[in-house]
Formats: sequence, structure tokens, C-alpha cells
Amino acid sequence: KQEVTQIPAALSVPEGENLVLNCSFTDSAIYNLQWFRQDPGKGLTSLLLIQSSQREQTSGRLNASLDKSSGRSTLYIAASQPGDSATYLCAVRRYNFNKFYFGSGTKLNVKP
Amino acid sequence: DAMVIQNPRYQVTQFGKPVTLSCSQTLNHNVMYWYQQKSSQAPKLLFHYYDKDFNNEADTPDNFQSRRPNTSFCFLDIRSPGLGDAAMYLCATSRDLRGTDTQYFGPGTRLTVL
Repeated sequence: KQEVTQIPAALSVPEGENLVLNCSFTDSAIYNLQWFRQDPGKGLTSLLLIQSSQREQTSGRLNASLDKSSGRSTLYIAASQPGDSATYLCAVRRYNFNKFYFGSGTKLNVKP
Repeated sequence: DAMVIQNPRYQVTQFGKPVTLSCSQTLNHNVMYWYQQKSSQAPKLLFHYYDKDFNNEADTPDNFQSRRPNTSFCFLDIRSPGLGDAAMYLCATSRDLRGTDTQYFGPGTRLTVL
């Protein structure tokens, strides 16, 4: 069974700081990995999707990397802003399984 | 804009009183998912439809049922809600089940059980 872990559970940083969120998974036979943002009481917004054949994806100030062999992904946020405050979740889809496994998320607070 | 819509956004029901949550999509995607998310926990997949094919997760209680009458709509029926079913229910879609396919989520329905 695939298990997805996100550490830390919560993170507080001052505005302008660069930061890294971590996601680890136990089964490296994945199809893809997706990073989401969730604002309080809201649904999930897709940020980046990395296919198993890719090493990284970038969108604006966000960069996600994937190392399948070690079962790890990181989400790098450059020059953080208060508007980045939210919970960030990663989800992996196992190869040949029509199911996404989610981590519990990292709650990020960017202080002005 | 193409999107995933969930109604209602907030639903209050009584213990044991059946409730139906609604999801619609304008993306014309083949796959629709229902997730349950409790506070500070990971979303948990309940089931998904690939077109008209229903796929139930092994640990989804029988109390939860789903219907997909057409491509655009999918419903979650909770036959006899218990206090433990209070949660956020998230609907998601994806074009297909390929590695390149992103999931798109609706805003969620928060269910309260009294």
C-alpha cells in the first residue's frame, strides 16, 4: 500500500523567504505526482503535476522536483508572500492504479 | 469558465436522515471522483466513475452510494449519516486516467450531522 508523508505539518516563515516543502512516498512505482494548494474551507487547486518520467516542473515562483528512486518530491516556493499562506498537499498515483494517495499536507503561514 | 461545481456548499442533516450531495462539471471529463476529507487529514477516496463504470474503494462503507446519470453530473448519497460522517466532501474530475491527466477539484461541500 502506498503511504504519503508530508513534513513538516506546519511552517511559519517571514515574507520574502524561500522555502521547501517535502513529500515522501513508500512505493516508487508511481504514474505521477501532483501538488495542490488548499485554502481554509475550500477545495483543492492544482499547482503542478510531474509525470514519472520527469524530474521537475516549474510554474512562476513554484518549482517541484521528483526523485522516484528515493520516493521524494519537494515543492520550492521562491520569495514567499502572505498570499501563499495555505495548506499544500501532495498526491501520488500508483502505476496501474486508478487512485491518488494524498499526504496530510503542510500548513504554511507567511508573515508580513 | 469550465469548472467543477458542488452544491450545496454547506449541508446540515440530522443523524440517520438521508442526504445527497451534487457535483457537476463543464470540462467534459471522463472520470469523476468523490473524496472525504476530515479536519487536518488527507482527502480519502471513496469511489470514482470512469465514464459509466463505477469503482468503489474497498474500505468505503456501504452507507455511501453514488450515481452518475450523465457525463456532467455525479451524486453522493449518504443513506444514514452518522456523526462520524461529518466532513468536507470533495468532487474531482480528470480527463482520463493517463499519467498526464491533472485532477480538478470543486470547492467542496461541508457536511454537518446533528
